[in-house]
Amino acid sequence: GAGVSQTPSNKVTEKGKYVELRCDPISGHTALYWYRQSLGQGPEFLIYFQGTGAADDSGLPNDRFFAVRPEGSVSTLKIQRTERGDSAVYLCASSATHRREQYFGPGTRLTVT
Amino acid sequence: TQLLEQSPQFLSIQEGENLTVYCNSSSVFSSLQWYRQEPGEGPVLLVTVVTGGEVKRLKRLTFQFGDARKDSSLHITAAQPGDTGLYLCAGEEAGGFKTIFGAGTRLFVKA
Repeated sequence: GAGVSQTPSNKVTEKGKYVELRCDPISGHTALYWYRQSLGQGPEFLIYFQGTGAADDSGLPNDRFFAVRPEGSVSTLKIQRTERGDSAVYLCASSATHRREQYFGPGTRLTVT
Repeated sequence: TQLLEQSPQFLSIQEGENLTVYCNSSSVFSSLQWYRQEPGEGPVLLVTVVTGGEVKRLKRLTFQFGDARKDSSLHITAAQPGDTGLYLCAGEEAGGFKTIFGAGTRLFVKA
């Protein structure tokens, strides 16, 4: 079956612009996670959704970052007024429910110039 | 803030050698996972350990969870070039929702 997909695979944007990153989880998975991975580092937790609601958004770096999951399936990570320090690979993962195996997508590589 | 420290950060060995990778923390985790990540891909789960002192084996890979559930090790026997990759440990926050990742150990196995 289809795994977790993320679009776009690569995004180059100018400093100050707005970007949206999309995650399509495995069908039926209620738990969805966003992570950010910088070069040479492990993934850094950003936000966790259980269904439509964000159960833990404590990893979002500041109020420029926002994520939604309006129908409990697809999720969008939104970044306003992008900064060069936002450049990283943004990973999405889904699991059947919390504390079950997480399946990761291939990530979106964001470059802010 | 819970942190997981992995060592070594980088390891280059010959095919057939054994190796151990360590994952340490001062915090207790409800469970700990080991992932492997290839370039351009997301991490793929290898194993989850839950009970202090637990040992799990996956072919030539042996995973151990420390008795106090604060640390773990991954041992690879007779490494092969196909084992090359980034190995990440991750801990489930006790009583919370976060998964905390270490910085990873990059393994290179030379033929």
